[in-house]
Amino acid sequence: AQKVTQAQTEISVVEKEDVTLDCVYETRDTTYYLFWYKQPPSGELVFLIRRNSFDEQNEISGRYSWNFQKSTSSFNFTITASQVVDSAVYFCALRPPSGNTGKLIFGQGTTLQVKP
Amino acid sequence: IAGITQAPTSQILAAGRRMTLRCTQDMRHNAMYWYRQDLGLGLRLIHYSNTAGTTGKGEVPDGYSVSRANTDDFPLTLASAVPSQTSVYFCASSDPRGGANVLTFGAGSRLTVL
Repeated sequence: AQKVTQAQTEISVVEKEDVTLDCVYETRDTTYYLFWYKQPPSGELVFLIRRNSFDEQNEISGRYSWNFQKSTSSFNFTITASQVVDSAVYFCALRPPSGNTGKLIFGQGTTLQVKP
Repeated sequence: IAGITQAPTSQILAAGRRMTLRCTQDMRHNAMYWYRQDLGLGLRLIHYSNTAGTTGKGEVPDGYSVSRANTDDFPLTLASAVPSQTSVYFCASSDPRGGANVLTFGAGSRLTVL
């Protein structure tokens, strides 16, 4: 079975704190892709990052960083020095191999509230 | 601005009524999708289309139908709406030619079935 679990339903932090959003996935495929999307209060879904299963290198983009560990089937997302504008629902998603074009399996989402 | 347009933005519907959610993209993406978003469940795939003229069932297809007459349009129809179909519906598209294609989402359609 393929599944994505975001165990943290809601997280609340104070501005400038670091916060990590957890994502654990299940798949029997050896080739797959992982994604993070952000859904701000306005409701649209914004792509943040895509990772393929062969690339375990961690990635940093400004205050955002991602830690991909195949050994633990995790793809965690860290926001450093959080800001109020980071308040949103964050979704982790898994994409099976190319035969299932674009069909993403989403986690339940983690609501992040950053307080001033 | 290139992207996905969904209509209506919001709708209240009586149970038993027929409803079509519209989705149009101008990016010439081959693949299109309909997801529903429900609290605590994330987004779940309803139907998808890999190319014009073809459609497929996703995780939660019952009570919904789609058509893909051309590349740009991918309407979602609820033949006889039920309260459990109250949700936010997102249309998305992707271009497989780009590799591990990233989905571009519309702004969503909030549907309430009473």
